[in-house]
Amino acid sequence: KAGVTQTPRYLIKTRGQQVTLSCSPISGHRSVSWYQQTPGQGLQFLFEYFSETQRNKGNFPGRFSGRQFSNSRSEMNVSTLELGDSALYLCASSRGQGAPRDEQYFGPGTRLTVT
Amino acid sequence: GDSVTQMEGPVTLSEEAFLTINCTYTATGYPSLFWYVQYPGEGLQLLLKATKADDKGSNKGFEATYRKETTSFHLEKGSVQVSDSAVYFCALSSGNEKLTFGTGTRLTIIP
Repeated sequence: KAGVTQTPRYLIKTRGQQVTLSCSPISGHRSVSWYQQTPGQGLQFLFEYFSETQRNKGNFPGRFSGRQFSNSRSEMNVSTLELGDSALYLCASSRGQGAPRDEQYFGPGTRLTVT
Repeated sequence: GDSVTQMEGPVTLSEEAFLTINCTYTATGYPSLFWYVQYPGEGLQLLLKATKADDKGSNKGFEATYRKETTSFHLEKGSVQVSDSAVYFCALSSGNEKLTFGTGTRLTIIP
């Protein structure tokens, strides 16, 4: 069974630009969650999508948004990029039944650098 | 809200040494507890989990016991190997998909 895939793996953008990251979950998984990982703040939850609906949301500004398609693939978008948005963005997929019944599987991440 | 406090790193040990990485948590209700491991250039992998008080999670020689009375979930391994060098994250979930992580502990094992 193929794992969670994320594209692109590396990205360099300039301040003020916008960026779209993609995540393909494990086949059969309907939930996709996104996390931001930085040296200063660690791993922080951005949002979770289940069956094309945002089900949970973290404490990030509105510049961070996402969506999920009918095939469960998900994208996240960051508009008006700031230097502080430089991070590793991880996505995780699961069946969507929540802990402890469920387990999340993480992708390798997209490394975003904002200059 | 939920929070996880994890032992500061980095931790450097010799091969075959005993490992303990401390983790305590604050949560409402009865969370599930996890240890994840991140190898260089990779995403997170679930190492072990425990879903209720006194449960012991174990995998690859690592163990952690869910201690409700001390709100702790310390990671232990009796004899570490060079291949265990990685960053370890303690995490909890209060029943939904959101994971709350600790800050991570970088472990380096020297031969």
